[in-house]
Amino acid sequence: GAVVSQHPSRVICKSGTSVKIECRSLDFQATTMFWYRQFPKQSLMLMATSNEGSKATYEQGVEKDKFLINHASLTLSTLTVTSAHPEDSSFYICSAEDRVVQYFGPGTRLLVL
Amino acid sequence: QKEVEQNSGPLSVPEGAIASLNCTYSDRGSQSFFWYRQYSGKSPELIMSIYSNGDKEDGRFTAQLNKASQYVSLLIRDSQPSDSATYLCAVGLYQKVTFGTGTKLQVIP
Repeated sequence: GAVVSQHPSRVICKSGTSVKIECRSLDFQATTMFWYRQFPKQSLMLMATSNEGSKATYEQGVEKDKFLINHASLTLSTLTVTSAHPEDSSFYICSAEDRVVQYFGPGTRLLVL
Repeated sequence: QKEVEQNSGPLSVPEGAIASLNCTYSDRGSQSFFWYRQYSGKSPELIMSIYSNGDKEDGRFTAQLNKASQYVSLLIRDSQPSDSATYLCAVGLYQKVTFGTGTKLQVIP
């Protein structure tokens, strides 16, 4: 149980385009999902907390207009990186919360050329 | 002071030995404690959760919690090269979970 999927697993895009990443909880409902970013050899960095039916809460320094989060159902949250630039290239990981415990998706590796 | 602190390592242990990973936290009211394993290039995977003082065992893994001293540890018995990874400690208070920066473990064959 407690399986979280992410799609796509890898994406390469041109600078200036937008990329949408989906995070799904497959066998449980998640009121709360989280979005993290991880640069090579660095620790997880929480970007935002996504709550179903309400606006996401962003961590300090994360631009909410650049990283759009939508949590429209109890099993799906999406992160859209708008007008992506090479510095946005990173490993984006979501997690879904099931009774306090966070279960992570497999991650999405974004490369912006 | 960081909310959740871990030694970044690397911690090197020979195959078959016990690996001991430690984590301290600052908020005395913390209620839930987790250990995750993250292989290079992969996302974190939950290994153990512990909520009350004492030891909790699951196979080769034992989590130990001491709320009075505000530390939580993970012991890995009979360490295998496949245990080589970064281990993340996470501490929860109400709805917020804070992750440490992780300890890199290297098990030497």
